[in-house]
Amino acid sequence: DTAVSQTPKYLVTQMGNDKSIKCEQNLGHDTMYWYKQDSKKFLKIMFSYNNKELIINETVPNRFSPKSPDKAHLNLHINSLELGDSAVYFCASSPRPLDGELFFGEGSRLTVL
Amino acid sequence: AQSVTQLDSHVSVSEGTPVLLRCNYSSSYSPSLFWYVQHPNKGLQLLLKYTSAATLVKGINGFEAEFKKSETSFHLTKPSAHMSDAAEYFCVVMPLGGYNKLIFGAGTRLAVHP
Repeated sequence: DTAVSQTPKYLVTQMGNDKSIKCEQNLGHDTMYWYKQDSKKFLKIMFSYNNKELIINETVPNRFSPKSPDKAHLNLHINSLELGDSAVYFCASSPRPLDGELFFGEGSRLTVL
Repeated sequence: AQSVTQLDSHVSVSEGTPVLLRCNYSSSYSPSLFWYVQHPNKGLQLLLKYTSAATLVKGINGFEAEFKKSETSFHLTKPSAHMSDAAEYFCVVMPLGGYNKLIFGAGTRLAVHP
């Protein structure tokens, strides 16, 4: 069983479209995250939810909107996609919010044409 | 502000030889430091973490790292490389009270040759 699963794994779309990436974890963790990895492998946090409450919201354009319907799910919706949004988006979860141990999904590669 | 610098973007070793991946950190206090590994087309996995207990930290798959405050370093080592160690390695720092807002280094690509 995959602990943190993301769908879709690959997403190719045109500029201006709206797309969503879904994430589910079956580890029973309270905290979930979205990280973005750019083409140079640089990883940066975007959002974090603890028990459905937003606790980290980095300087991310308003076109990105996370949604956590329950503590096992954290989805990412992106409006009006731009070329610069092309990246790999990683979902992660953690059992504790302050110990640095994250469990990552395998990533969703978004390509905007 | 806290940061980490990984001193090598690529490291290449032969199978069976030692591995050294270098990381320096910048912090005004004793930080929490981590190494994560990313195998091709996979998510990241925690290798080991330092949180101000023992300065020599042992991780999974035979890796270990030593926290040296005087050198502000947290280098990752392994005595004998295996082909399966080929991956991208990230040195990571977490700010105090950071809610797992991890700050990643730029990564080091480790290649292992037969």
